[in-house]
Amino acid sequence: GAVVSQHPSWVICKSGTSVKIECRSLDFQATTMFWYRQFPKQSLMLMATSNEGSKATYEQGVEKDKFLINHASLTLSTLTVTSAHPEDSSFYICSALHPRSQETQYFGPGTRLLVL
Amino acid sequence: SQKIEQNSEALNIQEGKTATLTCNYTNYSPAYLQWYRQDPGRGPVFLLLIRENEKEKRKERLKVTFDTTLKQSLFHITASQPADSATYLCALAPFFYQTGANNLFFGTGTRLTVIP
Repeated sequence: GAVVSQHPSWVICKSGTSVKIECRSLDFQATTMFWYRQFPKQSLMLMATSNEGSKATYEQGVEKDKFLINHASLTLSTLTVTSAHPEDSSFYICSALHPRSQETQYFGPGTRLLVL
Repeated sequence: SQKIEQNSEALNIQEGKTATLTCNYTNYSPAYLQWYRQDPGRGPVFLLLIRENEKEKRKERLKVTFDTTLKQSLFHITASQPADSATYLCALAPFFYQTGANNLFFGTGTRLTVIP
């Protein structure tokens, strides 16, 4: 158990468009999910904490109007990159906290975004 | 702010030897520390968690130590195999009251290559 999926796994878009990335916990309910961004050869940087039914908490330096997070159900959180630009090209990874263990995050496979 | 350093960007070892990876942190001691494995283009996979009051944890061929005096964790893979080749990340979780959430802060990772 504890499988997290992401969709799409890879997306290319034109500059100025918006892209939505989905994160799903497949076999458990997650009240808390996290969104990370990882640039090549760099570590994962936490962007925001997503709590079901409430507003996301963004890390310092992350624009909440640009990276819209919605955690509408206990199994789904979405990240929308609005008006994407080439500098937003990155590897976006979500994770979910399992209700049995609030210490271990289960990660999705990641979504590679390329903005042309 | 907390700084997390992993000893080297890349480590090559011969099959069958023990790989030792280092994670050093500055400032405050975390509530717990985790090690993850990340393969190229994939999300991290949880391996081991060690708490600030624990000295050592083992899981099959993996061993983690935690020295809060040295502010260091060591991650060992014994009898290493080519399939162990991956990037290994350490991640720290501050005490809950410091951040109000179960956030993880990641090191930059060490890319391990086990040579047959």
